[in-house]
Amino acid sequence: SQQGEEDPQALSIQEGENATMNCSYKTSINNLQWYRQNSGRGLVHLILIRSNEREKHSGRLRVTLDTSKKSSSLLITASRAADTASYFCATDFMDSNYQLIWGAGTKLIIKP
Amino acid sequence: EAEVAQSPRYKITEKSQAVAFWCDPISGHATLYWYRQILGQGPELLVQFQDESVVDDSQLPKDRFSAERLKGVDSTLKIQPAELGDSAMYLCASSRLSQETQYFGPGTRLLVL
Repeated sequence: SQQGEEDPQALSIQEGENATMNCSYKTSINNLQWYRQNSGRGLVHLILIRSNEREKHSGRLRVTLDTSKKSSSLLITASRAADTASYFCATDFMDSNYQLIWGAGTKLIIKP
Repeated sequence: EAEVAQSPRYKITEKSQAVAFWCDPISGHATLYWYRQILGQGPELLVQFQDESVVDDSQLPKDRFSAERLKGVDSTLKIQPAELGDSAMYLCASSRLSQETQYFGPGTRLLVL
């Protein structure tokens, strides 16, 4: 399978702490995207990082990409209760007709 | 801010019945996607349109599922007949171009009894 895989499957931390989620994939990519999904809702795009980029920031979010290890990480700093959601990575593989392949997600719970 | 619209939000049906879902993408977005998401899993692409043409429907169970985007704007996904295993969230997304960020609608949660 060419599916991206997130790790851990679930993560529970205290409000204010940092949360780190990882994504691994198997073949060369054009880009990698992170999305958030609140319970029972649609997905919201967070960050897109291209294969020639190593790090991107957006507010409290930091994404890194290591193409040699075929992995990416999403760091959420100073977590808030509103960050409670599932986080998915989606990879756009070369020669895939730009189809996104999705992982199973990391379920993040922020405890007040 | 423009959004992807989907209806209905919830649908309960009995197996062997027909169901249809509607999606209106963000204006100007050429690419439209239908995904199925089973609880606890990531989305699975069912069909991808570029304007009115199907780009990829390799994962669409064509014996019971059909999708159309006749004028290259809104789209309909149909299941006939519905089976118990079709219970899932059906998500529609659109993007300006196929390799860009996808914007998702709120989804239709289907329960087949």
